[in-house]
Amino acid sequence: GAGVSQSPSNKVTEKGKDVELRCDPISGHTALYWYRQSLGQGLEFLIYFQGNSAPDKSGLPSDRFSAERTGGSVSTLTIQRTQQEDSAVYLCASSPSRQSLDEQYFGPGTRLTVT
Amino acid sequence: GNSVTQMEGPVTLSEEAFLTINCTYTATGYPSLFWYVQYPGEGLQLLLKATKADDKGSNKGFEATYRKETTSFHLEKGSVQVSDSAVYFCASPSDSWGKLQFGAGTQVVVTP
Repeated sequence: GAGVSQSPSNKVTEKGKDVELRCDPISGHTALYWYRQSLGQGLEFLIYFQGNSAPDKSGLPSDRFSAERTGGSVSTLTIQRTQQEDSAVYLCASSPSRQSLDEQYFGPGTRLTVT
Repeated sequence: GNSVTQMEGPVTLSEEAFLTINCTYTATGYPSLFWYVQYPGEGLQLLLKATKADDKGSNKGFEATYRKETTSFHLEKGSVQVSDSAVYFCASPSDSWGKLQFGAGTQVVVTP
């Protein structure tokens, strides 16, 4: 079946612009995660959605970052007023359930470059 | 919270050599431990896991044993291939459900 998909695969934007990154999880997966992979910072957790529960936003680096998940499926990560330090690969993962931490399936990522 | 520390790369070795990547963890209790692999141009994939002390995870010729006495989960492979060239990440859940805490990643380069 289809895996986790993300779009766009690459995004180049000017400093100060807003960007939206999309994640389509595996159908039926209730848990969805966003991570960021950058040089010098490694892989960082950003936000976690589980079913209809309030998301865990504890990893978002600033209030310029937000995410939503509509209908328990597709998620959009929005970065407002982008800065050069936001340049990174943004990874999305989904999991069948809250109890299946070892079944996080990752998408290919969106490479964001802020110029 | 829980954390993992892994050896820095890059690690360069010849085909058929023995590979070890060290990973140690700090945690309250005994969390599950994972190794993920990221091949060039691809997303992260779960390579193997261990859910309790003394468990051994294995996949694709790789092995790692959850050792509570040394708080370690070292990744090993007896005879690497060029196709094993990738970045390997040790990981463990943090205190909260859903967050994976990753090590810095170790790039492995296998030459023919």
